This record gives sequence, C-alpha cells and structure tokens, in this order.
Amino acid sequence: QLVESGGGLVQPGGSLRLSCAASGLTFDRYWMHWVRQIPGKGLMWVGEIDSSGSTTNYADSVKGRFSIFRDNAKNMLYLQMNSLKVEDTAVYYCANLGAPTDYWGQGTQVTVSS
Amino acid sequence: EIVLTQSPGTLSLSPGETATLSCRASQSIKNNFLSWYQQKPGQAPRLLIYGVYHRATGIPDRFSGGGSGTDFTLTISRLGPEDFAVYYCEQYSDLPRTFGQGTKVEI
Repeated sequence: QLVESGGGLVQPGGSLRLSCAASGLTFDRYWMHWVRQIPGKGLMWVGEIDSSGSTTNYADSVKGRFSIFRDNAKNMLYLQMNSLKVEDTAVYYCANLGAPTDYWGQGTQVTVSS
Repeated sequence: EIVLTQSPGTLSLSPGETATLSCRASQSIKNNFLSWYQQKPGQAPRLLIYGVYHRATGIPDRFSGGGSGTDFTLTISRLGPEDFAVYYCEQYSDLPRTFGQGTKVEI
C-alpha cells in the first residue's frame, strides 16, 4: 500500500528525490515519515510531515539538506535530498508509523558514491 | 535526543522457549510513547507493540510489552519459527524519534 521509487546511485554533493505512492489507506489522515536503514544495521528516523503538509520535522543529520512534502490529491509523499553525503547511503522507507496499524513501503536503495 | 539501548544484542533460544528483550532509555519516556517492531531479512519492519503494552493489529497474545519510565521489556512466549528476527524498540515521546540498535533472536 506504500510503494517507494526514485532511489539510485548519486555522487556526493548531488540530489535525489524519492517518491512514495499510497493506496488503500486514507492518506490525508496520516502523518507520514521517512526512515532509513543501512543494510545490516539499525533504523534511523529521517523526518516527518503532518497530514496537511504544513508541519515538518527532521533529524539533525539531515536538517537543511532534506525536505519532505506531500500531495494529498495524488496520495504521494516525497523526500527531496540535496547535498548528499556518503553516509546518507541506505535503504529509505516511507511509513506512517501509526498504531494500531502501521504501513511501510518496501524500501528504495540510495547509494552515494563517487 | 533520547538514546535507546537494547540488550542483549543477540538472544539464542529454541522454539517453544520464552524470549525477554530489554530496552533502556537515556531519559524517561513520557506518556508511555514506546513501541516495538519486528524485522525479518529483506522485509520492512512491522509494528508489534505500541504505548508500551498495546498489541498492534493482528499481533498474537504471545507478544507482550511492559515497563515504564526508562526500562521496558518485550516478552515473546512460546517462540515459533516465525519469531526468529530482529526486534527494535522506538520512542516517540520526543523529537527526534529514535530506535534502539536492535536485538536479534536466533535459533
């Protein structure tokens, strides 16, 4: 019900935009989040956006470089990533982190390398 | 930020046994805003427990959560083959939301 796209290989300093398409859920009711994971490692919360798109919060490590926005008319969530660093390499998940039911995408790989 | 420390790093058990996982927070978690997730290889995490002890949708009662303040536990009774996975605690009491480093439950 959440499908990410847009991942790939990018050079340090470059930009990438991830998309997350939602279906089968009332998308405009939920705060939405991006969470990343280095393969074989733990989870790191990247940031969130409220249901209307007016409020965002970010982890310190991405603040000022990443932006989250959404289009509720299209049931789409986005993560704009600028000034990418090697340490941003990870699988990126979109998720609602809701309860009692949570929704996660399958993840999209972002690799930052020269 | 609130740092969550999980222990042990790896738990080696047999099917039918009980697993007890620990999650300790660097400061008190307000409003019981603590969750547990299960992740299997190649899959996204799945919510098991929210609000310290409430089971998520479709989660069997073999999974139970408890604790308060800074110390929390996830207990898995009667381990089945499908329960061998990595488990993460997560706090949503303060921003940034943070996860523990995970506990691997292995056979």
